Amino acid sequence: SQKIEQNSEALNIQEGKTATLTCNYTNYSPAYLQWYRQDPGRGPVFLLLIRENEKEKRKERLKVTFDTTLKQSLFHITASQPADSATYLCALDEGTYKYIFGTGTRLKVLA
Amino acid sequence: DSGVTQTPKHLITATGQRVTLRCSPRSGDLSVYWYQQSLDQGLQFLIQYYNGEERAKGNILERFSAQQFPDLHSELNLSSLELGDSALYFCASSESGGDPNEQFFGPGTRLTVL
Repeated sequence: SQKIEQNSEALNIQEGKTATLTCNYTNYSPAYLQWYRQDPGRGPVFLLLIRENEKEKRKERLKVTFDTTLKQSLFHITASQPADSATYLCALDEGTYKYIFGTGTRLKVLA
Repeated sequence: DSGVTQTPKHLITATGQRVTLRCSPRSGDLSVYWYQQSLDQGLQFLIQYYNGEERAKGNILERFSAQQFPDLHSELNLSSLELGDSALYFCASSESGGDPNEQFFGPGTRLTVL
């Protein structure tokens, strides 16, 4: 079955720098990947979706790439701010409407 | 505020008991999803309903069941509770059950089994 791997170690970066988070999947390439943000004790919030035929998607300071050869998606936050500190989850549809979420990467932006 | 409501916010109960978690999706959303999130497991997909019908089943235990009612609200029933069932339970909704789907998550119900 499909598996998602995200770096479980926390990522600490300085304010103003670009944060890059990685999402790797193991089997077939999904039709699309989603990225969500989750704050402690709260439900995930949808950020971006990228389809398999799109190399890159942008929304304000966020950028997502999708490399079906590497079976990887990268999530970038440019000009990072302390308010960006949260856990970021990668998700995909395994097929037949079953959704898999990664365990997430915790990002901390230091002022 | 995502527009998805979940009740109750917190639930404390004992092993062996049965509880019901309730979810109201965003207005107009036909799909409802249930997830379990524990510290060591991450967000686990349990089940999806679309317009009253079960559409997909994930890692849902036989002790758990769910349904979606004609008014589109959903309930997740957990029975014969065990300590390991303690977790955050999230409900999410989306416009349809098709691809792709942005899911809107509720605030969650924190279940503690003592």
